[in-house]
Amino acid sequence: KQEVTQIPAALSVPEGENLVLNCSFTDSAIYNLQWFRQDPGKGLTSLLLIQSSQREQTSGRLNASLDKSSGRSTLYIAASQPGDSATYLCAVFTGANSKLTFGKGITLSVRP
Amino acid sequence: NAGVTQTPKFQVLKTGQSMTLQCAQDMNHNSMYWYRQDPGMGLRLIYYSASEGTTDKGEVPNGYNVSRLNKREFSLRLESAAPSQTSVYFCASSDLWGATSYNEQFFGPGTRLTVL
Repeated sequence: KQEVTQIPAALSVPEGENLVLNCSFTDSAIYNLQWFRQDPGKGLTSLLLIQSSQREQTSGRLNASLDKSSGRSTLYIAASQPGDSATYLCAVFTGANSKLTFGKGITLSVRP
Repeated sequence: NAGVTQTPKFQVLKTGQSMTLQCAQDMNHNSMYWYRQDPGMGLRLIYYSASEGTTDKGEVPNGYNVSRLNKREFSLRLESAAPSQTSVYFCASSDLWGATSYNEQFFGPGTRLTVL
Protein backbone atom coordinates (compact mmCIF):
# COMPACT_ATOMS: atom_id res chain seq x y z
CA LYS A 1 0.00 0.00 0.00
CA GLN A 2 1.36 3.39 -0.99
CA GLU A 3 2.17 5.70 1.90
CA VAL A 4 3.24 9.31 1.61
CA THR A 5 5.13 11.05 4.41
CA GLN A 6 5.84 14.73 4.87
CA ILE A 7 8.15 15.74 7.70
CA PRO A 8 8.15 18.01 9.61
CA ALA A 9 4.45 18.72 10.07
CA ALA A 10 5.13 22.41 10.62
CA LEU A 11 7.90 24.83 9.76
CA SER A 12 8.50 28.47 10.63
CA VAL A 13 11.10 30.53 8.80
CA PRO A 14 12.01 34.23 8.50
CA GLU A 15 11.10 36.08 5.33
CA GLY A 16 13.65 35.83 2.54
CA GLU A 17 14.92 32.38 3.42
CA ASN A 18 15.21 29.70 0.75
CA LEU A 19 13.57 26.52 1.96
CA VAL A 20 13.00 22.92 1.04
CA LEU A 21 9.90 20.88 1.79
CA ASN A 22 10.32 17.11 1.69
CA CYS A 23 7.98 14.35 0.58
CA SER A 24 8.69 10.62 0.61
CA PHE A 25 6.66 7.72 -0.73
CA THR A 26 6.96 3.97 -0.25
CA ASP A 27 6.12 2.59 -3.71
CA SER A 28 8.23 3.97 -6.53
CA ALA A 29 5.77 2.77 -9.21
CA ILE A 30 4.11 6.15 -9.65
CA TYR A 31 2.91 7.93 -12.77
CA ASN A 32 3.23 11.44 -11.41
CA LEU A 33 3.50 13.53 -8.27
CA GLN A 34 1.59 16.74 -7.57
CA TRP A 35 2.36 19.48 -5.08
CA PHE A 36 -0.62 21.45 -3.76
CA ARG A 37 -1.05 24.52 -1.63
CA GLN A 38 -3.93 24.83 0.84
CA ASP A 39 -4.74 28.08 2.59
CA PRO A 40 -6.68 27.88 5.88
CA GLY A 41 -10.33 27.06 5.24
CA LYS A 42 -9.78 26.87 1.49
CA GLY A 43 -9.44 24.28 -1.22
CA LEU A 44 -6.34 22.81 -2.81
CA THR A 45 -4.47 24.74 -5.48
CA SER A 46 -2.25 22.70 -7.77
CA LEU A 47 1.28 24.11 -7.81
CA LEU A 48 3.31 21.67 -9.85
CA LEU A 49 2.91 18.28 -11.46
CA ILE A 50 5.99 16.17 -12.17
CA GLN A 51 5.54 13.26 -14.52
CA SER A 52 7.35 10.03 -13.71
CA SER A 53 9.78 10.56 -16.60
CA GLN A 54 10.74 14.04 -15.39
CA ARG A 55 13.29 15.03 -12.80
CA GLU A 56 11.99 18.51 -11.98
CA GLN A 57 9.45 21.21 -12.73
CA THR A 58 9.65 24.95 -12.14
CA SER A 59 7.05 27.64 -11.72
CA GLY A 60 8.23 31.07 -10.67
CA ARG A 61 9.97 30.81 -7.28
CA LEU A 62 8.97 27.16 -6.93
CA ASN A 63 11.01 24.19 -8.07
CA ALA A 64 9.96 20.60 -7.49
CA SER A 65 12.22 17.62 -8.00
CA LEU A 66 11.44 13.93 -8.19
CA ASP A 67 13.68 10.94 -7.51
CA LYS A 68 11.46 7.93 -8.16
CA SER A 69 14.03 5.31 -7.32
CA SER A 70 14.57 6.66 -3.83
CA GLY A 71 10.90 7.57 -3.32
CA ARG A 72 11.53 11.25 -2.70
CA SER A 73 10.39 14.64 -3.90
CA THR A 74 11.34 18.10 -2.73
CA LEU A 75 9.63 21.45 -3.18
CA TYR A 76 12.11 24.32 -3.17
CA ILE A 77 10.77 27.80 -2.43
CA ALA A 78 13.17 30.64 -3.20
CA ALA A 79 13.17 33.90 -1.28
CA SER A 80 10.17 33.02 0.88
CA GLN A 81 7.50 35.67 1.56
CA PRO A 82 4.76 35.94 4.21
CA GLY A 83 2.26 35.25 1.42
CA ASP A 84 3.80 31.78 1.06
CA SER A 85 2.38 30.83 4.46
CA ALA A 86 0.05 27.89 3.88
CA THR A 87 -0.07 24.11 4.08
CA TYR A 88 1.79 22.30 1.31
CA LEU A 89 0.63 18.82 0.36
CA CYS A 90 2.25 16.32 -1.92
CA ALA A 91 0.29 13.55 -3.59
CA VAL A 92 1.38 10.62 -5.73
CA PHE A 93 -0.62 9.07 -8.54
CA THR A 94 -0.16 5.35 -8.97
CA GLY A 95 -2.84 4.81 -11.61
CA ALA A 96 -4.92 2.46 -9.47
CA ASN A 97 -8.48 3.87 -9.65
CA SER A 98 -6.85 7.18 -10.62
CA LYS A 99 -6.50 7.80 -6.91
CA LEU A 100 -4.14 10.35 -5.50
CA THR A 101 -2.44 9.29 -2.27
CA PHE A 102 -1.78 12.33 -0.13
CA GLY A 103 0.71 13.18 2.55
CA LYS A 104 -0.60 14.97 5.63
CA GLY A 105 1.02 18.22 4.62
CA ILE A 106 3.58 20.68 5.96
CA THR A 107 2.22 23.89 7.48
CA LEU A 108 4.60 26.68 6.59
CA SER A 109 4.74 30.00 8.37
CA VAL A 110 6.94 32.74 6.93
CA ARG A 111 7.63 35.45 9.51
CA PRO A 112 7.96 39.08 8.32
CA ASN B 1 -13.68 29.58 -16.12
CA ALA B 2 -14.87 28.88 -12.60
CA GLY B 3 -13.06 25.52 -12.53
CA VAL B 4 -14.57 23.19 -9.92
CA THR B 5 -17.40 24.61 -7.83
CA GLN B 6 -19.07 23.07 -4.77
CA THR B 7 -22.23 23.86 -2.87
CA PRO B 8 -22.88 24.43 -0.07
CA LYS B 9 -19.73 25.86 1.51
CA PHE B 10 -20.83 24.99 5.04
CA GLN B 11 -23.50 22.68 6.46
CA VAL B 12 -24.57 21.53 9.90
CA LEU B 13 -26.69 18.39 10.14
CA LYS B 14 -28.19 16.40 12.95
CA THR B 15 -27.50 12.69 13.19
CA GLY B 16 -29.79 10.79 10.84
CA GLN B 17 -30.50 13.68 8.49
CA SER B 18 -29.70 13.39 4.82
CA MET B 19 -28.18 15.82 2.38
CA THR B 20 -26.56 16.06 -1.02
CA LEU B 21 -23.31 17.83 -1.77
CA GLN B 22 -23.15 19.28 -5.26
CA CYS B 23 -20.12 19.57 -7.50
CA ALA B 24 -19.77 20.97 -11.00
CA GLN B 25 -16.81 21.56 -13.31
CA ASP B 26 -16.63 23.67 -16.46
CA MET B 27 -13.35 22.31 -17.83
CA ASN B 28 -14.98 19.56 -19.91
CA HIS B 29 -13.16 16.97 -17.83
CA ASN B 30 -14.08 13.33 -18.11
CA SER B 31 -13.31 12.12 -14.60
CA MET B 32 -14.55 13.37 -11.24
CA TYR B 33 -13.78 12.45 -7.65
CA TRP B 34 -14.96 12.97 -4.09
CA TYR B 35 -12.42 13.12 -1.25
CA ARG B 36 -12.76 13.80 2.44
CA GLN B 37 -10.13 15.54 4.55
CA ASP B 38 -9.80 14.79 8.25
CA PRO B 39 -7.18 16.06 10.71
CA GLY B 40 -4.31 13.60 10.98
CA MET B 41 -5.70 11.42 8.17
CA GLY B 42 -4.99 13.43 5.06
CA LEU B 43 -7.31 13.30 2.06
CA ARG B 44 -9.01 10.00 1.25
CA LEU B 45 -10.97 9.03 -1.84
CA ILE B 46 -14.66 8.29 -1.26
CA TYR B 47 -16.00 7.68 -4.77
CA TYR B 48 -14.95 8.41 -8.29
CA SER B 49 -16.44 8.58 -11.77
CA ALA B 50 -14.11 7.65 -14.60
CA SER B 51 -16.53 9.00 -17.20
CA GLU B 52 -20.12 10.09 -17.58
CA GLY B 53 -22.41 7.21 -16.63
CA THR B 54 -19.91 5.35 -14.46
CA THR B 55 -19.16 5.49 -10.75
CA ASP B 56 -17.11 3.32 -8.42
CA LYS B 57 -16.04 3.06 -4.80
CA GLY B 58 -12.84 4.51 -3.47
CA GLU B 59 -11.13 3.99 -0.14
CA VAL B 60 -13.91 5.03 2.27
CA PRO B 61 -17.32 4.66 0.54
CA ASN B 62 -19.45 3.44 3.47
CA GLY B 63 -22.34 5.75 4.27
CA TYR B 64 -22.22 7.59 0.94
CA ASN B 65 -23.77 7.38 -2.51
CA VAL B 66 -22.93 9.31 -5.65
CA SER B 67 -24.57 10.30 -8.90
CA ARG B 68 -22.83 11.42 -12.06
CA LEU B 69 -25.69 13.51 -13.37
CA ASN B 70 -23.96 14.49 -16.60
CA LYS B 71 -20.42 15.25 -17.71
CA ARG B 72 -20.31 18.45 -15.63
CA GLU B 73 -21.92 17.38 -12.37
CA PHE B 74 -21.09 14.80 -9.70
CA SER B 75 -23.06 14.76 -6.45
CA LEU B 76 -22.38 13.05 -3.12
CA ARG B 77 -25.27 11.98 -0.91
CA LEU B 78 -25.30 11.18 2.78
CA GLU B 79 -28.46 9.17 3.40
CA SER B 80 -28.29 9.10 7.21
CA ALA B 81 -25.57 11.37 8.51
CA ALA B 82 -23.37 10.24 11.42
CA PRO B 83 -20.92 12.26 13.55
CA SER B 84 -18.07 10.26 11.97
CA GLN B 85 -18.93 11.99 8.69
CA THR B 86 -17.97 15.37 10.08
CA SER B 87 -15.26 16.39 7.66
CA VAL B 88 -14.28 18.68 4.82
CA TYR B 89 -15.38 17.27 1.47
CA PHE B 90 -13.55 18.08 -1.73
CA CYS B 91 -14.61 17.41 -5.27
CA ALA B 92 -11.96 17.11 -7.98
CA SER B 93 -11.84 16.55 -11.70
CA SER B 94 -9.31 15.47 -14.30
CA ASP B 95 -9.27 15.40 -18.07
CA LEU B 96 -7.81 11.93 -18.31
CA TRP B 97 -8.60 8.67 -16.63
CA GLY B 98 -6.34 5.83 -15.68
CA ALA B 99 -2.67 5.06 -15.63
CA THR B 100 -1.17 8.05 -17.38
CA SER B 101 1.39 10.51 -16.16
CA TYR B 102 -0.76 13.31 -17.57
CA ASN B 103 -3.57 12.75 -15.05
CA GLU B 104 -3.71 16.06 -13.17
CA GLN B 105 -6.50 16.64 -10.70
CA PHE B 106 -8.06 20.01 -9.95
CA PHE B 107 -9.93 20.61 -6.72
CA GLY B 108 -12.92 22.63 -5.64
CA PRO B 109 -13.06 24.89 -2.56
CA GLY B 110 -14.63 22.25 -0.31
CA THR B 111 -17.74 21.80 1.81
CA ARG B 112 -17.30 21.92 5.56
CA LEU B 113 -19.81 19.53 7.11
CA THR B 114 -20.56 19.12 10.79
CA VAL B 115 -22.84 16.33 12.02
CA LEU B 116 -24.11 16.78 15.55
